[in-house]
Formats: sequence, structure tokens, C-alpha cells
Amino acid sequence: GAVVSQHPSWVICKSGTSVKIECRSLDFQATTMFWYRQFPKQSLMLMATSNEGSKATYEQGVEKDKFLINHASLTLSTLTVTSAHPEDSSFYICSASISRGPANYGYTFGSGTRLTVV
Amino acid sequence: KQEVTQIPAALSVPEGENLVLNCSFTDSAIYNLQWFRQDPGKGLTSLLLIQSSQREQTSGRLNASLDKSSGRSTLYIAASQPGDSATYLCAVISVGNQFYFGTGTSLTVIP
Repeated sequence: GAVVSQHPSWVICKSGTSVKIECRSLDFQATTMFWYRQFPKQSLMLMATSNEGSKATYEQGVEKDKFLINHASLTLSTLTVTSAHPEDSSFYICSASISRGPANYGYTFGSGTRLTVV
Repeated sequence: KQEVTQIPAALSVPEGENLVLNCSFTDSAIYNLQWFRQDPGKGLTSLLLIQSSQREQTSGRLNASLDKSSGRSTLYIAASQPGDSATYLCAVISVGNQFYFGTGTSLTVIP
């Protein structure tokens, strides 16, 4: 089945540094990738939607200069948290839609990245 | 804006019981609805996807139904097992691939 590989699975960084999270689609082409964050005991919140080769579309309230998303190829999307602060500590998950022609087969998710900023 | 609600927020049942998780949404103009499970600190595992034209999907002990007109979906788990303990999320997908997640139901199956 369609698999999205996300890494790192966890990262601890110092305040002010940048962290890059990668998501790769292993056996399909991910035209569209979604990035979510999840706070403890809360549901997923969509941060941005990225289409291959174009700029990401950010949800209201998400700082695009802080959360840089690059989707340069059909198999790789990256989220870079720039100048991270403790309030950025969260669980970040990517997702890709599984489409073959006009049919949509749902969505597959990465395994998530636990970011802790100290 | 689409709002997705899941009831109950938490559920604890003895092993072997059948149970139903509920999901309701406010806008019936959906593309798909998908049920996931999430284990603590882990990503999401897709359980069932229901296309908007379908009324239910089954996989093993799981059965999900969809009633678009009333804005409801249910996830039925038969003969629950301790390994079913997790948080179950429903997500409504609108045209354009916009996801709206519920806040989840935390399930504990007691051996």
C-alpha cells in the first residue's frame, strides 16, 4: 500500500535553531501533501497544504515565515521550523492523498515527528 | 466552516464487548470520510475510508457507516480486544482535500 515515510521521529533542539522534517512517499507520487500539528490531548490541526512545484497554502494563524514548506518533487515534502521556540514543541504529522487518475483512495499519514524545543 | 464532533470523548469497556463510536459533522457537502486510530505519541493508522456515495465500509471487526444527510458516521467495533485501546479519530474530507478532524474518542478495553 501507499506509504509515507516521515523522519525524524523525534528531535530535541535548542531555542533559536531550525529543524527540518521530511516526508517521502515511498511507492506513489504525492501531488499534494498536508502538514498538521497536534498539541497534547487535542486533535490534528491543518497547518498548510503543499502542491508539488508551487507555494504552500497556509491556514489562518500559521506563520509561513516560521514554518517553511518545500515540495520540490512528487516524492518529497519538507517542513522547516525556523528559529524554534518552546511553544513550537508539538507533534507534527504529514499526510498525502492517494490518487490514481480520477479515483481517490484516501489519505496516508506519516508516523509523526515529536519536536521538543528547550 | 465544517465542524466535526466525536462522542463520547472517552470510553472504557470490558474485553469482548461490542461498541459504537459516533462522529457528527455540520456540512453534508463532503467528499470522503475516514476513520483513523492513533496510539499514544504515534502517527495515524487509517482504518476505513467511506466515499461520499457509499453508506458503509467493513474491515474485519470494524464497520463504519455514513449518513450524509444527517451528518453522521459511526464506527462499530465488534468483540473488542485490549489491543483496540487507542484514540479513534474521524476526519471529514471536503472537495479540495481539506481535512476536518474530530477531537477523537479515547478507547480503553479492559482485559
